[in-house]
Amino acid sequence: QLHLQESGPGLVKPSETLSLSCSVSGASLTSNSYYWVWIRQPPGKALEWIGSVFHGGSTYYNPSLNSRVTISLDTSKNQFSLNLTSVTAADTAIYFCARHSVRVAAFDIWGQGTLIPVSS
Amino acid sequence: EIVLTQSPGTLALSPGERATLSCRASQSVNSNNVAWYQQKPGQAPRLLIYGASSRAAGISDRFSGRGSGTEFSVTISRVEPEDFAVYYCQQYGSPPWTFGQGTKVEIK
Repeated sequence: QLHLQESGPGLVKPSETLSLSCSVSGASLTSNSYYWVWIRQPPGKALEWIGSVFHGGSTYYNPSLNSRVTISLDTSKNQFSLNLTSVTAADTAIYFCARHSVRVAAFDIWGQGTLIPVSS
Repeated sequence: EIVLTQSPGTLALSPGERATLSCRASQSVNSNNVAWYQQKPGQAPRLLIYGASSRAAGISDRFSGRGSGTEFSVTISRVEPEDFAVYYCQQYGSPPWTFGQGTKVEIK
């Protein structure tokens, strides 16, 4: 059964880089049937797509974050990662990793999410 | 960027009632690529509907989606206690993929 699990620091200081990993079990990141996605949700607010990575490493980012975001694959560990630079309090959010199925063309499997506060 | 506007913001219903949630896009969504998600407190969203009208695996037939172009909706035929949650629409017709602000379905 497919399972996604986010991991990362419990807290990030302003101006630093937020780094998260998503471990995937039950599916291969090398499959051409899926994109792998990061989405975030500030407390009490709506969802925001951050970006996606395809099996060959092609990436697509939300223009609102484009200059600060990098998403990458580590196929040896079956993980994908998010780096968000120069964070501010506005980046405080629950960060979810998810699978974007090409067939279904929607985010069909989600991790449980991890709350990342940005605070000094 | 396509902006999605959901209405109403909150819908107060009694179990057994019918619920209709709406989602309006600022421009036409390619190929009706609209999805709906349900999110309960402290949980990740769960995919309910994709392609505007197809139910995701394991989703009750009480949920149905419809719409095209710029107007989309999801209907819960008879609201059950487990259906009280926040519902989001999302478009994946034109990048960046965007979500609506959500409709909260609460117990009346």
